[in-house]
Amino acid sequence: EADIYQTPRYLVIGTGKKITLECSQTMGHDKMYWYQQDPGMELHLIHYSYGVNSTEKGDLSSESTVSRIRTEHFPLTLESARPSHTSQYLCASSVAGPQYFGPGTRLTVL
Amino acid sequence: DQQVKQNSPSLSVQEGRISILNCDYTNSMFDYFLWYKKYPAEGPTFLISISSIKDKNEDGRFTVFLNKSAKHLSLHIVPSQPGDSAVYFCAASGLGGGSEKLVFGKGTKLTVNP
Repeated sequence: EADIYQTPRYLVIGTGKKITLECSQTMGHDKMYWYQQDPGMELHLIHYSYGVNSTEKGDLSSESTVSRIRTEHFPLTLESARPSHTSQYLCASSVAGPQYFGPGTRLTVL
Repeated sequence: DQQVKQNSPSLSVQEGRISILNCDYTNSMFDYFLWYKKYPAEGPTFLISISSIKDKNEDGRFTVFLNKSAKHLSLHIVPSQPGDSAVYFCAASGLGGGSEKLVFGKGTKLTVNP
């Protein structure tokens, strides 16, 4: 099972601020993913990466951006946070078989 | 249009009895299916998976059944324990191996009563 970490766990921030959600994994997995989940709803894929310098947009349109400079690190950035960005953001990684998730970041934009 | 559907938002069972969670899918290209368990304010935890070449996979108290002709899968938990109380998500992948993009259902909240 992957060890995958996300920081911060909770973030409350004002409109217009730039934020970066951190995600790191220690298992050397090539594939990493970002999902967004609202309460009572399904997880939606917003970004994924199959390796260093590889990033793709997911099925759900998102104003966030990602980068993959190192295998273990897959940060997500919002240049200008808005209340509509309030959600839970979940990072996952895999090599083959199931994806393993981090604990998530609960983002609230006021 | 939802490709993975969990039509029961909630399920309540007694401790020691069987819990059966259901999931339907519409995309015939899906060939790998997974169940995750999620507690509030935590990330999903992988439980069990099944490839489309099989119709049953078992791991301890958890068994997943796949009916390809009906595009239906189910998760059986026997015996159910209070610690199993959580939201259970069904997910599917269409490119094999499970390392591709997952499509999730909306989840079923399971409550196991002591």
